[in-house]
Amino acid sequence: NAGVTQTPKFRVLKTGQSMTLLCAQDMNHEYMYWYRQDPGMGLRLIHYSVGEGTTAKGEVPDGYNVSRLKKQNFLLGLESAAPSQTSVYFCASRSLRVLNTEAFFGQGTRLTVV
Amino acid sequence: SQQGEEDPQALSIQEGENATMNCSYKTSINNLQWYRQNSGRGLVHLILIRSNEREKHSGRLRVTLDTSKKSSSLLITASRAADTASYFCATDTVMEYGNKLVFGAGTILRVKS
Repeated sequence: NAGVTQTPKFRVLKTGQSMTLLCAQDMNHEYMYWYRQDPGMGLRLIHYSVGEGTTAKGEVPDGYNVSRLKKQNFLLGLESAAPSQTSVYFCASRSLRVLNTEAFFGQGTRLTVV
Repeated sequence: SQQGEEDPQALSIQEGENATMNCSYKTSINNLQWYRQNSGRGLVHLILIRSNEREKHSGRLRVTLDTSKKSSSLLITASRAADTASYFCATDTVMEYGNKLVFGAGTILRVKS
């Protein structure tokens, strides 16, 4: 099993450009999360989803949109990228059916906005 | 603001010594989890402790939880150079809409051989 796969792994954007980060999981997990990691800040929750067609805001949702059209995929969109969105983005998933479960992480997407 | 706050921010020890990291949080939790991150990689789950548990062990790891003080500690015994990594606590909080998993800023551990 691949686990959690993020695409792309690296990307450089110009200010104002848009892009979509894809997260795919093959564990049939209900929960999926998007985080950003900045130096000294740890991981901050952007958006999360508890199932297909449902999403909720995390700590730092501004400037991002998400969609969960299929259970296995969670997309993170930047409509108009800004330099402040330069970061490493991590996706994670975990089961809803089993209480008190761990999250499984992808390897991250390093995004630079110039 | 972030739910979990780790202390210290950085820790440097000799191989064979024990490493202790602390985590404080602000709200009621369902459970608290510890993760490890090697440089440039994704996070890997280490151990989970439920809100009704006080201590848990897994190999060289020992985690304690004090819900009255809203704090947890992670002890790594007999550290090895391969333990060099960043360590994060994460609180699992039940919200109106699903469970949020919120991370602290992490502790950078360096084990010198």
